[in-house]
Amino acid sequence: ETGVTQSPTHLIKTRGQQVTLRCSSQSGHNTVSWYQQALGQGPQFIFQYYREEENGRGNFPPRFSGLQFPNYSSELNVNALELDDSALYLCASSLEQGRGGETQYFGPGTRLLVL
Amino acid sequence: KQEVTQIPAALSVPEGENLVLNCSFTDSAIYNLQWFRQDPGKGLTSLLLIQSSQREQTSGRLNASLDKSSGRSTLYIAASQPGDSATYLCAVPNAGNMLTFGGGTRLMVKP
Repeated sequence: ETGVTQSPTHLIKTRGQQVTLRCSSQSGHNTVSWYQQALGQGPQFIFQYYREEENGRGNFPPRFSGLQFPNYSSELNVNALELDDSALYLCASSLEQGRGGETQYFGPGTRLLVL
Repeated sequence: KQEVTQIPAALSVPEGENLVLNCSFTDSAIYNLQWFRQDPGKGLTSLLLIQSSQREQTSGRLNASLDKSSGRSTLYIAASQPGDSATYLCAVPNAGNMLTFGGGTRLMVKP
């Protein structure tokens, strides 16, 4: 059983550019959630994908968008990058069975720096 | 809207001490509460998950308690070691299993 993997590990972009981050969920998991963690803070929920549909969204603007593929892997896209988008982006997968509160397993994160 | 707070924000202790990290939440209608460990620049490692029906959960030197009525959880670390140095985060899910995190407690255990 493989864990959650993310790519790339580090990324440097300039303001105004676009970026795509990738996440492969743990084997058998049907749900992927994305979180943004600024330096020295706790992670903030961005959105969640369940069976290829967006299932919930935090307080992030529309320039943050995502996809989930039939194999349950996922992408996070950020357009028109701003300096404040510099953060660690974490992906978590879980097996949602409609009961709520399933354990989420986190990947190692992608460190994004916007200059 | 659920809010999660962790106190203290940072803690430095000598090796061997027992310590308690605190987590409070505003909405007591939770499914569970999860404690994570995060090493610098790394992802999150799940330590303990306490279901809403449970009062305690133990793993090795770690013990987490949950008091839903008062909106509090504690993580007790016995006989701390330098390898325990990390940031500890607590989080609670909403009905869709979207986690709300506290700001974390940064722990330093000095040899």
